[in-house]
Amino acid sequence: DGGITQSPKYLFRKEGQNVTLSCEQNLNHDAMYWYRQDPGQGLRLIYYSQIVNDFQKGDIAEGYSVSREKKESFPLTVTSAQKNPTAFYLCASSLYATNEKLFFGSGTQLSVL
Amino acid sequence: GENVEQHPSTLSVQEGDSAVIKCTYSDSASNYFPWYKQELGKRPQLIIDIRSNVGEKKDQRIAVTLNKTAKHFSLHITETQPEDSAVYFCAASTEAAGNKLTFGGGTRVLVKP
Repeated sequence: DGGITQSPKYLFRKEGQNVTLSCEQNLNHDAMYWYRQDPGQGLRLIYYSQIVNDFQKGDIAEGYSVSREKKESFPLTVTSAQKNPTAFYLCASSLYATNEKLFFGSGTQLSVL
Repeated sequence: GENVEQHPSTLSVQEGDSAVIKCTYSDSASNYFPWYKQELGKRPQLIIDIRSNVGEKKDQRIAVTLNKTAKHFSLHITETQPEDSAVYFCAASTEAAGNKLTFGGGTRVLVKP
């Protein structure tokens, strides 16, 4: 199904390596978000972007970086500074920056080798 | 910032019985309260939401109630069916926080046939 596409579905990171998770949307939504999902901890906001070429830190931004060069794309890089990167990462979008309704991608499971 | 607590973390019910999940929030300015359902291996999807000017909202077998004074809101599922088995997340947002959602920790619901 279309909407928001995340890739890859599974990703493995070696010690000291940076990895990038892809998120693409064809909904023409202004805002995009990255969430981290850990068992029993709900969804925690990493970064969000309300408009192209602009983004803000969420609650757990340390060790992550993002870019928003195109409206459709919001890639997340998990850097070597993130010491506990194993988690399920969800990308989401909303029509406007002030629109709370989120549409989620199918997620990427990141594991450390 | 906003803090949302969700209980219980797991809930097992017999098919046909009702299920109730409760969330409390800390920011009295919160004005939007959605519920997301995440089936196993799938993306979270919005199932119902309520705004602070409404006390209750129903959609077929699901309903949400809001008590602004006590700062809690609940999801009620009646006549549960096996397809209701999933993880349910509550969330809250305020305009002051740019309408960004703060999620609860999630409730894993298992409907036993």
